[in-house]
Amino acid sequence: GPKVLQIPSHQIIDMGQMVTLNCDPVSNHLYFYWYKQILGQQMEFLVNFYNGKVMEKSKLFKDQFSVERPDGSYFTLKIQPTALEDSAVYFCASSFMDTLYFGAGTRLSVL
Amino acid sequence: GDSVTQTEGLVTLTKGLPVMLNCTYQTTYSPFLFWYVQHLNEAPKLLLKSSTDNKRTEHQGFYATLHKSSSSFHLQKSSVQLSDSALYFCALSDNMGYKLTFGTGTSLLVDP
Repeated sequence: GPKVLQIPSHQIIDMGQMVTLNCDPVSNHLYFYWYKQILGQQMEFLVNFYNGKVMEKSKLFKDQFSVERPDGSYFTLKIQPTALEDSAVYFCASSFMDTLYFGAGTRLSVL
Repeated sequence: GDSVTQTEGLVTLTKGLPVMLNCTYQTTYSPFLFWYVQHLNEAPKLLLKSSTDNKRTEHQGFYATLHKSSSSFHLQKSSVQLSDSALYFCALSDNMGYKLTFGTGTSLLVDP
């Protein structure tokens, strides 16, 4: 089936540094999403994105977070600066209609 | 706001037995319910979805029926296999899946 690729699979950085998580969505999809999952807990919605703009963001989407999809390439989540509580697995997803296709996630460890 | 409740954190079963994973939800909108399955170190994948009241939907031996009267969308299978061992998430959308609210997930472990 359609695949969403996330790069890298694991990222370790020091607190205060900037990190960019990359997502290669399914080619004809129009909607893009980021979800956050802390170990053992549920996946929580961060943000969705359509036609170059943020549609909706949750209260977890702090001011230090930003998303973009420059020139139709990777859909990125940037965190600047990072904090210890940002350690989690971040899942990207994309959709054309009602079905979200997820990537395998990027495990972010903030030290 | 919207919420999804999955009461079992871990279900352990012997191969060949039936299983039911519970899912209830709360929303003020017309619900669209999903089950996603996530195998270890893999992406969550859609298993089932429904927005039609009292209609059973099936895929890969799993089935579920959306009951709006009880706000439930329980996942069932008549005979579990070893390969069914995974994490199962119930999710709710109010608008065709543009924003999913997930439950906490149920880990299913199937023993030989």
